[in-house]
Amino acid sequence: DAGVIQSPRHEVTEMGQEVTLRCKPISGHNSLFWYRQTMMRGLELLIYFNNNVPIDDSGMPEDRFSAKMPNASFSTLKIQPSEPRDSAVYFCASSLRTSRGILAQYFGPGTRLTVL
Amino acid sequence: QQQVKQSPQSLIVQKGGISIINCAYENTAFDYFPWYQQFPGKGPALLIAIRPDVSEKKEGRFTISFNKSAKQFSLHIMDSQPGDSATYFCAASSYNTNAGKSTFGDGTTLTVKP
Repeated sequence: DAGVIQSPRHEVTEMGQEVTLRCKPISGHNSLFWYRQTMMRGLELLIYFNNNVPIDDSGMPEDRFSAKMPNASFSTLKIQPSEPRDSAVYFCASSLRTSRGILAQYFGPGTRLTVL
Repeated sequence: QQQVKQSPQSLIVQKGGISIINCAYENTAFDYFPWYQQFPGKGPALLIAIRPDVSEKKEGRFTISFNKSAKQFSLHIMDSQPGDSATYFCAASSYNTNAGKSTFGDGTTLTVKP
């Protein structure tokens, strides 16, 4: 079984450029989460979707960040324009609520973003 | 009420020793408590999880102890090994709400010295 797939794994860009991060959740999972991890702020939840619908985007830092989930197998996180303070590792995670009460999140390998 | 407080921030243990990481929560609606392990350069990975209907769950060298009345839970790593050196996150979620959203602790960096 393939896990959560993220691309690219590394992204280096210049300030002001648009950045698009991609995520393919585990097949059959119905919730998807975008996180940002930095040394200073730890693991922050940016936004999450349930059945492709955004449920809570209160963690999105500002209007420069947007996320979409056009179908159950694909999501994007876009930063436009990017700034140096956006440099972080961005994780995508997916989860499935089962009748046995399983609710764990499965994380992708992350995208390390560096904005110069 | 959504916070999960984790301690210590960092922990150094000798090989063979017991590592203990503690978490406390406020929201009584939480009913699922997973622990995640993260190695450098990797995403967090589910290590072990517990529901509040039991007070302890053991998987190999890893044990979760759960105290519902105190709203606390802890991870015990027995016979700690250098390969256990990683960052550990506790988390809490409510099975029936919020689409599986988890509230994470701030993480504990564990170093096991050989």
